[in-house]
Amino acid sequence: QVRLEQSGAEVKKPGASVKVSCKASGYTLTDYYIHWVRQAPGQGFEWMGWVNPNTGGRGQARKFRGRVTMTTDTSIDSAYMELTGLTSDDTALYFCARGPQPRNKLMVVAPNVAFDLWGQGTMVTVSS
Amino acid sequence: QSVLTQPPSASGTPGQRVTISCSGSGSNIGSNYVSWFQQFPGTAPKLLIYRDHQRPSGVPDRFSGSKSDTSASLAISGLRSEDEADYYCASWDDSLSGPVFGGGTTVTVL
Repeated sequence: QVRLEQSGAEVKKPGASVKVSCKASGYTLTDYYIHWVRQAPGQGFEWMGWVNPNTGGRGQARKFRGRVTMTTDTSIDSAYMELTGLTSDDTALYFCARGPQPRNKLMVVAPNVAFDLWGQGTMVTVSS
Repeated sequence: QSVLTQPPSASGTPGQRVTISCSGSGSNIGSNYVSWFQQFPGTAPKLLIYRDHQRPSGVPDRFSGSKSDTSASLAISGLRSEDEADYYCASWDDSLSGPVFGGGTTVTVL
């Protein structure tokens, strides 16, 4: 069964860090990119960044640069997203999503939001 | 404030056709593919439409997508009660070097 399985809910204090994992099964992790998207309660989606499991290459939304790190461990088919300096505004449901590889090998990422497989989401609550 | 603009709600009776619009700009919809996602409360989104009008396997042909210039639409024909959900459009934005999403449209089956 093709799926992305994420780690469980987290409760953090302001200023702390959180690391969310995303384990792929049923497909080869390196055949696709992993994107991270979050959804605050009752809100829409906010894209955070991407990682290429094949090369380790990554990119982040401007808003999160310096605060987010996206990595992969291909030996265990897993991707990780670490967010530091948490505030209450970071309270959200965090998703990993599978994205396509670029058709043009000169591109670092495919400009295509065909995210065809999503993890179940990890709720991160930031509260003092 | 979402980069892509969707109506907050849409509704129809069973069997009707409902259309959801998504408005963007030249740096996103005008230059890149549009995807549509369906989301039920508390669950992960599901890809309904990609590359403007393509359906992943398993998605009923009652769902169709179209695009013109900087706007896109999702149509649901033969509306069913199980179609009650939130629907989001998305497109890559060249200025932001990443995806942007619409604010979502809640579809209600009357």
